[in-house]
Amino acid sequence: EAGVTQSPTHLIKTRGQQATLRCSPISGHTSVYWYQQALGLGLQFLLWYDEGEERNRGNFPPRFSGRQFPNYSSELNVNALELEDSALYLCASSLKTYEQYFGPGTRLTVT
Amino acid sequence: KQEVTQIPAALSVPEGENLVLNCSFTDSAIYNLQWFRQDPGKGLTSLLLIQSSQREQTSGRLNASLDKSSGRSTLYIAASQPGDSATYLCAVSSYNQGGKLIFGQGTELSVKP
Repeated sequence: EAGVTQSPTHLIKTRGQQATLRCSPISGHTSVYWYQQALGLGLQFLLWYDEGEERNRGNFPPRFSGRQFPNYSSELNVNALELEDSALYLCASSLKTYEQYFGPGTRLTVT
Repeated sequence: KQEVTQIPAALSVPEGENLVLNCSFTDSAIYNLQWFRQDPGKGLTSLLLIQSSQREQTSGRLNASLDKSSGRSTLYIAASQPGDSATYLCAVSSYNQGGKLIFGQGTELSVKP
């Protein structure tokens, strides 16, 4: 069974640009979560999508947004990139609120 | 507000030792607790999930316990191996926090041959 997949693996952007990160959950999982792991800040919850709806949002500005598609895959968009947005972005999936399985992450570097 | 703390922040042990990693949380109204492993620059690998109604879970050389009333969980690793070297993270989900996991800062484990 395929695990959670994320693309791209690495992404380099310039300050002010937009970044789009993608996540495909484990087959059958309806919930997708996004987390940010910035150096020295630990893992911070960003967004939770379930059945196509945004269910919860962490303490991040509105320029962090996303969506979940009918096939339960998800996209995270970061607008007006700032240097401090440089981080590893991790996606996880689960069946409702049970065990979360993580993908390999997308390393975003903002220069 | 739920806060998760892990002690120690780093641990170095010789191969073969049994060891215990600690995790504490401030709000006992948790839904479940997960232990993860993270290798440098990589994603998280789920090790064990303990539901709020459970006291412990075991997988191979790993055993995790949960004491909700005291707000503590421990991860016991038996007969440690160099391949166990990684950062270990615990995370809790709470009934009033939606589906999100709240993570501790992790324990960086190094097992020396």
